[in-house]
Amino acid sequence: QLQLQESGPGLVKPSETLSLTCTVSGGSISSDFFWGWIRQSPGKGLEWIGSIYYSGRTYYNPSLNSRVTISVDTSKNQFSLALSFVTAADTAVYFCARQSYCSGVTCSKDSWGQGTLVTVSS
Amino acid sequence: QSVLTQPPSVSAAPGLRVTISCSGGSSNIGSYFVSWYQQVPGTAPKLLIYQNNWRPSGIPDRFSGSKSGTSATLGITGLQTGDEADYYCETWDGSLSTYVFGPGTKVSVL
Repeated sequence: QLQLQESGPGLVKPSETLSLTCTVSGGSISSDFFWGWIRQSPGKGLEWIGSIYYSGRTYYNPSLNSRVTISVDTSKNQFSLALSFVTAADTAVYFCARQSYCSGVTCSKDSWGQGTLVTVSS
Repeated sequence: QSVLTQPPSVSAAPGLRVTISCSGGSSNIGSYFVSWYQQVPGTAPKLLIYQNNWRPSGIPDRFSGSKSGTSATLGITGLQTGDEADYYCETWDGSLSTYVFGPGTKVSVL
């Protein structure tokens, strides 16, 4: 059974970089799926951040594009999120997910990590 | 402010049926498939419906999805107390070049 687990600091200072890793178990990250990051905050609901294919191909939410980098490490079966110059508005629960059931650009997120709360505060 | 609109809440007695609407526009629902997710507070969203009306393995047929024009609908029949959760629609927006989620609908079982 596929499992995803987010890990990383729960507290980040303003203007610094938020870094999270998603470890995939029960399946290979090098299979034919995109892997994504989604966040959820009380003020903005669910927000897609970006996604990556095991080859390294990425696509990002344009509203965050200038601050986001998603990378993949196939040897560790992990993919990672880096969000730079964070502010209090980036405080949210961050989820990683597998994207499946794709048609064109549209995919569904069929497996999710449990989520990790990241607070931006000094 | 989401580009998709959902009612904040719906409710019904056990055993009855509820429907949740998701309204958008030509650049999102009108052009792309819709997914639906169930989220119990404190847990991750769970995929209920993909490509407008298909259920992943393990999702009971009490859950159904449909789409017409720029609106989509999730139906839940035989409502159970375990169905109490928040429900979100999602699709791609071709103008914004991003996935968009609805604001969510809270389902309550009376």
